[in-house]
Amino acid sequence: EVQLVQSGAEVKKPGESLTISCEASGYSFTMYWIGWVRQTPGKGLEWLGIIYPGDSDTRYSPSFEGQLTISADKSIDTAYLQWSSLKASDTATYFCVRQQTADYWGQGTQVTVSS
Amino acid sequence: EIVLTQSPGILSLSPGEKATLSCRASQSLSGNQLAWYQQRPGQAPRLLMYGASDRPPFIPDRFSGSGSGTDFTLTISRLGPEDFAVYYCQQYGTSPFTFGPGTTVDIK
Repeated sequence: EVQLVQSGAEVKKPGESLTISCEASGYSFTMYWIGWVRQTPGKGLEWLGIIYPGDSDTRYSPSFEGQLTISADKSIDTAYLQWSSLKASDTATYFCVRQQTADYWGQGTQVTVSS
Repeated sequence: EIVLTQSPGILSLSPGEKATLSCRASQSLSGNQLAWYQQRPGQAPRLLMYGASDRPPFIPDRFSGSGSGTDFTLTISRLGPEDFAVYYCQQYGTSPFTFGPGTTVDIK
């Protein structure tokens, strides 16, 4: 059974750093792209970027390039989304998904950034 | 960036009725690379349709997709109680991939 299991909810202050994770199981991690999507009440669903764990080829949506970093560790079948300096506007639920067609979704990680 | 517009914003129907949801793209989608997702409250979205009309094996056949170019439709032939949810379309053919704002199907 394909599963994407994400790390738990986070509460952070503006300017802090954060890494959230997405552990894959039930399929060959290196053979499928892993994407990240965020959801906010105001802007709905937004595609952040995608990585191919097999060779770490990473593509970012232009709006998010430079704002966050997507990575993957194929030795432990885990993808990551990280921020070096959070802003209040990063408050959202973040989902990892498999493939561009998002055929499987993680359960979501709620990130709250507030002073 | 390709903008997706969904209509109607809210669709109020009774169980057993047919639902027709529309998604329009600001430019033609190459290869009909359009997907539909369903999101129930408190859950992650789930894939209903890809390639505009291809259904994953775990999706009931009361869901069907059609369309090409810029106009796409998701049809639910007979609404079951679990189908009252929000539905999103997404284009994945041109970066940045984009989602529509969603159509809420609620109980009349």
